[in-house]
Amino acid sequence: DTAVSQTPKYLVTQMGNDKSIKCEQNLGHDTMYWYKQDSKKFLKIMFSYNNKELIINETVPNRFSPKSPDKAHLNLHINSLELGDSAVYFCASSQDMRTFGNTIYFGEGSWLTVV
Amino acid sequence: DAKTTQPNSMESNEEEPVHLPCNHSTISGTDYIHWYRQLPSQGPEYVIHGLTSNVNNRMASLAIAEDRKSSTLILHRATLRDAAVYYCILRFLSYNTDKLIFGTGTRLQVFP
Repeated sequence: DTAVSQTPKYLVTQMGNDKSIKCEQNLGHDTMYWYKQDSKKFLKIMFSYNNKELIINETVPNRFSPKSPDKAHLNLHINSLELGDSAVYFCASSQDMRTFGNTIYFGEGSWLTVV
Repeated sequence: DAKTTQPNSMESNEEEPVHLPCNHSTISGTDYIHWYRQLPSQGPEYVIHGLTSNVNNRMASLAIAEDRKSSTLILHRATLRDAAVYYCILRFLSYNTDKLIFGTGTRLQVFP
């Protein structure tokens, strides 16, 4: 079983559309994250949630709205997609943010292309 | 934001040891040194981490300088599967800022 799974793996969509990427972890972790890897391969955190509570929001445009229905899921909804949103989005999870140093497990990524 | 400096790329032959260096001259006393790697078309995966002492696990060893301003990830016998981008990351000890700040990493090529 995949520990952190994301869907869809590939997504091609037009500018202006609204799309969602879903993420689920079956590790029983309390903390989940969204990271973005741009065309230059820089990986940067976008959001983190701990037990459904937003902890980190790295000044991401408000077109990006994470939603955590329960601690095993963290979905990313993007409104009014722009060309610059094209990137690979990685979902991740860790045991508990309060337990420092625990391993962060990443999903395989969702390749978003906006045309 | 990244506080680490790594060579852009390194090469190795299969079965040989690989030493991947990382400089972190501004490291603070509470920063842990973490290494993650990203295989092609995959998400990053944890490799190893340490604070002051050298560390070993089944994947690699981490050698930390006495002043903690540099560290070296050691792959004892490189395999083709070890070809990846290796990230050296300083991780902050804080509840509200427990995040990984990735730099540009070192792209490791392994030749048969």
